[in-house]
Amino acid sequence: DAGITQSPRHKVTETGTPVTLRCHQTENHRYMYWYRQDPGHGLRLIHYSYGVKDTDKGEVSDGYSVSRSKTEDFLLTLESATSSQTSVYFCAISDWGGAGWEQYFGPGTRLTVT
Amino acid sequence: GESVGLHLPTLSVQEGDNSIINCAYSNSASDYFIWYKQESGKGPQFIIDIRSNMDKRQGQRVTVLLNKTVKHLSLQIAATQPGDSAVYFCAENGQGAQKLVFGQGTRLTINP
Repeated sequence: DAGITQSPRHKVTETGTPVTLRCHQTENHRYMYWYRQDPGHGLRLIHYSYGVKDTDKGEVSDGYSVSRSKTEDFLLTLESATSSQTSVYFCAISDWGGAGWEQYFGPGTRLTVT
Repeated sequence: GESVGLHLPTLSVQEGDNSIINCAYSNSASDYFIWYKQESGKGPQFIIDIRSNMDKRQGQRVTVLLNKTVKHLSLQIAATQPGDSAVYFCAENGQGAQKLVFGQGTRLTINP
């Protein structure tokens, strides 16, 4: 998984509770991303980061916030989890590969909100 | 909005045959494309990429073809093996160089 770890790998939480997912990379790549993957929707971008403390929204950012205080770590926070946020969350990192900005994915976090 | 889609949601092939997975894209501004493989319970795995100034690129047992005229991308897998069973996604960068838009995926099943 290209030097990317995600934690936790599985989590069950109750509606209304805060949840933080962590992505850690050892590749020193500049760009980091959070996606969610749901049946019928494929992979959708939540937020991404283009450097330490530099983040921007993706297409499904409502209800999520992110932070990046170090190059290697990108945190995704659900301030108050809802059942619609039950999903598999993937972190990705990106760097220039010669032909384009190659993205590599972590193993994923399965989140269930009850 | 712009989207990336797939012609077929499922594909079954005999072991040893060649597989062809297709993808249509609609954003003519896209100039970089990636194919990913995703096995059950795992994250998407980078297979091969191609830039719009090329129409063909080969890797190990895989070939990507790009037809910009009809906005069509295909992934060819030679001598398909049981380990090739997975969902395959195409992705394109039409929303910005560092952002990808993904198709829904095609599930490839290998018959013995």
